[in-house]
Amino acid sequence: EAGVVQSPRYKIIEKKQPVAFWCNPISGHNTLYWYLQNLGQGPELLIRYENEEAVDDSQLPKDRFSAERLKGVDSTLKIQPAELGDSAVYLCASSRSGNTEAFFGQGTRLTVV
Amino acid sequence: GDSVTQMEGPVTLSEEAFLTINCTYTATGYPSLFWYVQYPGEGLQLLLKATKADDKGSNKGFEATYRKETTSFHLEKGSVQVSDSAVYFCALSDPTSGAGNMLTFGGGTRLMVKP
Repeated sequence: EAGVVQSPRYKIIEKKQPVAFWCNPISGHNTLYWYLQNLGQGPELLIRYENEEAVDDSQLPKDRFSAERLKGVDSTLKIQPAELGDSAVYLCASSRSGNTEAFFGQGTRLTVV
Repeated sequence: GDSVTQMEGPVTLSEEAFLTINCTYTATGYPSLFWYVQYPGEGLQLLLKATKADDKGSNKGFEATYRKETTSFHLEKGSVQVSDSAVYFCALSDPTSGAGNMLTFGGGTRLMVKP
């Protein structure tokens, strides 16, 4: 069984440019999470989906960040425009509904210059 | 809100030494507790978990016991190997708090094992 797949693994962009990250969760996992991991810190939740519905996006900076999971499977996280402080690792995870065990992708390391 | 505090690293040990990484938590409900490990260049992997008080999670020689009275979930291993070098994250999930299955992580502890 394939794990959570994220792309790209690495991205370098100039500030004020847009960027998008893609996540394909484990088949059958209804719950999808996007986490932000700053250097030397633990991950922090940005948004949680149950199927195609965003059920917790309270930590998502909505002025520049957006996310979608249109068909309840793959998800895209977008930043527009990116700022220097957005440099971090963006992690996607998935789990079965009602199950607390989440499986993580390898993450996308974003560098904004 | 819920929070997790773990000892700061790095922790540097010689091979075959005993490992303890302390973790304490604050939660309003009855959380499940986890240890995740992140090897260099890889994503987070679940190492072990415990879902109720006095449960012991174990995997790959690592153990942690859910201690409700001290709100702790310390990670231990009797004899570490060089291959255990990684960053370890303590985390909790507290569905009763209304946050669903969201994980709250500690800051991570880097373990370095020398031959």
